Amino acid sequence: DSGVTQTPKHLITATGQRVTLRCSPRSGDLSVYWYQQSLDQGLQFLIQYYNGEERAKGNILERFSAQQFPDLHSELNLSSLELGDSALYFCASSPTSSSNEQFFGPGTRLTVL
Amino acid sequence: AQTVTQSQPEMSVQEAETVTLSCTYDTSENNYYLFWYKQPPSRQMILVIRQEAYKQQNATENRFSVNFQKAAKSFSLKISDSQLGDTAMYFCAFRPYAGGTSYGKLTFGQGTILTVHP
Repeated sequence: DSGVTQTPKHLITATGQRVTLRCSPRSGDLSVYWYQQSLDQGLQFLIQYYNGEERAKGNILERFSAQQFPDLHSELNLSSLELGDSALYFCASSPTSSSNEQFFGPGTRLTVL
Repeated sequence: AQTVTQSQPEMSVQEAETVTLSCTYDTSENNYYLFWYKQPPSRQMILVIRQEAYKQQNATENRFSVNFQKAAKSFSLKISDSQLGDTAMYFCAFRPYAGGTSYGKLTFGQGTILTVHP
């Protein structure tokens, strides 16, 4: 158990819908990262937050957005969902924005029908 | 931009034997970190080993060791005395040292599925 929690574990929804994925980092970690793992794209970095502020952006679609709240938990919002958004979404956390190790949560499996 | 390449989609090994997984990367950075992550069927991402590019000594963690060749931009993982529990997908990953817009971004390879046979 890495100490990073993600909810829900599984999510099934329809095209065009909007969902919110939630992540709670390890106690004391200030930085949160979101990654997407899909069959065709592999593991891709989406976005990073540090202490509430966006720090780095990767291949994140405009339909996706994220934020980190004062209590340091983070949410990833996915809207206008398409079949291709079906993937495993990981959250990771680290103590600082440049820490050696990122601790991964168990992931949220999103299925878009 | 950095790229990470794992040229072996699948590998297999007999229990108790040794196996080496390959990884090459491309970067213009001089300081960076390299990692191997394990993803078992549970899908949890588990850090296996990490290497700082400024360290010449190869990292070792119990049965896991790396062969880091900075000039060749190569970072292979050797698993000794393979165990059934080593069966998993293994990802090689790269992260710039610090600073810039990349910050903590991990760039992953495509993964290698390792199967350990009894």
